[in-house]
Amino acid sequence: DAGVIQSPRHEVTEMGQEVTLRCKPISGHNSLFWYRQTMMRGLELLIYFNNNVPIDDSGMPEDRFSAKMPNASFSTLKIQPSEPRDSAVYFCASRAGTDNQPQHFGDGTRLSIL
Amino acid sequence: GDSVTQMEGPVTLSEEAFLTINCTYTATGYPSLFWYVQYPGEGLQLLLKATKADDKGSNKGFEATYRKETTSFHLEKGSVQVSDSAVYFCALVSGSARQLTFGSGTQLTVLP
Repeated sequence: DAGVIQSPRHEVTEMGQEVTLRCKPISGHNSLFWYRQTMMRGLELLIYFNNNVPIDDSGMPEDRFSAKMPNASFSTLKIQPSEPRDSAVYFCASRAGTDNQPQHFGDGTRLSIL
Repeated sequence: GDSVTQMEGPVTLSEEAFLTINCTYTATGYPSLFWYVQYPGEGLQLLLKATKADDKGSNKGFEATYRKETTSFHLEKGSVQVSDSAVYFCALVSGSARQLTFGSGTQLTVLP
């Protein structure tokens, strides 16, 4: 079975550019999560969706970050304009059913902003 | 709010040694508890879980018991292998939060 698919795996871009990260959750999963992982702050939840609706975006660092889920099989995380401090690994995860079911993670996008 | 406190790493062991990674939590109600593992260059994978007090989760030789009286969920393995080298995350989800709260992670290195 296909797991959570993220693209691109690596992204290097210059400060000020727009960055779009993509995620395809596991088919049939109804919740989707975006995380950011850095050495300094560890794993942070940015936003999560339930049935394509954003439920909690309190972790989104600032207005430069936005996330969408236009349908059950696709989500994007956009940073505009990007800054060097946005450099991190960004993970998408999806989950089926209720809150105590496990989340399934993609392999992440390693983002470097120069 | 909910929180998870993990044993700080890094932890370095020789192959076949006994492993314990401590995890304690603070949460409202009766959380579900998880251990995730992250291998280099990959996302997190569920290792095991427990959803109620005294439950024992187990997988790949790893075990953890949900201890409500001590609010703990320590990860153990009797004999580690080089392939167990990874970062291990303890996590919980409680009814109020609805999403995972992670510990800071513990880096394990197993030497041959």
